[in-house]
Amino acid sequence: EPEVTQTPSHQVTQMGQEVILRCVPISNHLYFYWYRQILGQKVEFLVSFYNNEISEKSEIFDDQFSVERPDGSNFTLKIRSTKLEDSAMYFCASRVDSSYEQYFGPGTRLTVT
Amino acid sequence: KQEVTQIPAALSVPEGENLVLNCSFTDSAIYNLQWFRQDPGKGLTSLLLIQSSQREQTSGRLNASLDKSSGRSTLYIAASQPGDSATYLCAAPRPNDYKLSFGAGTTVTVRA
Repeated sequence: EPEVTQTPSHQVTQMGQEVILRCVPISNHLYFYWYRQILGQKVEFLVSFYNNEISEKSEIFDDQFSVERPDGSNFTLKIRSTKLEDSAMYFCASRVDSSYEQYFGPGTRLTVT
Repeated sequence: KQEVTQIPAALSVPEGENLVLNCSFTDSAIYNLQWFRQDPGKGLTSLLLIQSSQREQTSGRLNASLDKSSGRSTLYIAASQPGDSATYLCAAPRPNDYKLSFGAGTTVTVRA
């Protein structure tokens, strides 16, 4: 069964460093998302991406964040200068069409020290 | 803004008992509602998706109902097993878009 994959599973970085989180959505899906979950808190939306551009972003998604779909399969989230409060589990999700469910990847645990 | 609330926050039941998990949302103009399972430190596994036109959706021992007018959804798990122990999340999209607003989840423990 097709699934969303994410790499790495765990990333440790120092404050101020850049990180890139990678996702491979399901191949025929058209809509892509990043969510994050700070330990003990709700899963929260970061950004949605469709037709090679951002369709919506939350107030969390400031200038330090960017997304890219560099080729036909990968979808990346970049944090330019990480802060301690960026420590969280980051989930990538995709869906095929408007009425369909979102499929989530296993997540990348980002630890900023 | 869509606010999603789940009650109770935690639930502990003996094996074999039926589980009832509640989810409420503030804006009923949703396209669908999705239930997920999350194991500790792990990702989100989609369990059921209910379209706004549906009142129920079933998958094996799982049954989810949706009442848009009252802003409620309920997930029923029949004949619970220790393997059902996990956190169950409800998520509803905001009106006119598909990004999901999540509840805080109900953490279920099924005692053998």
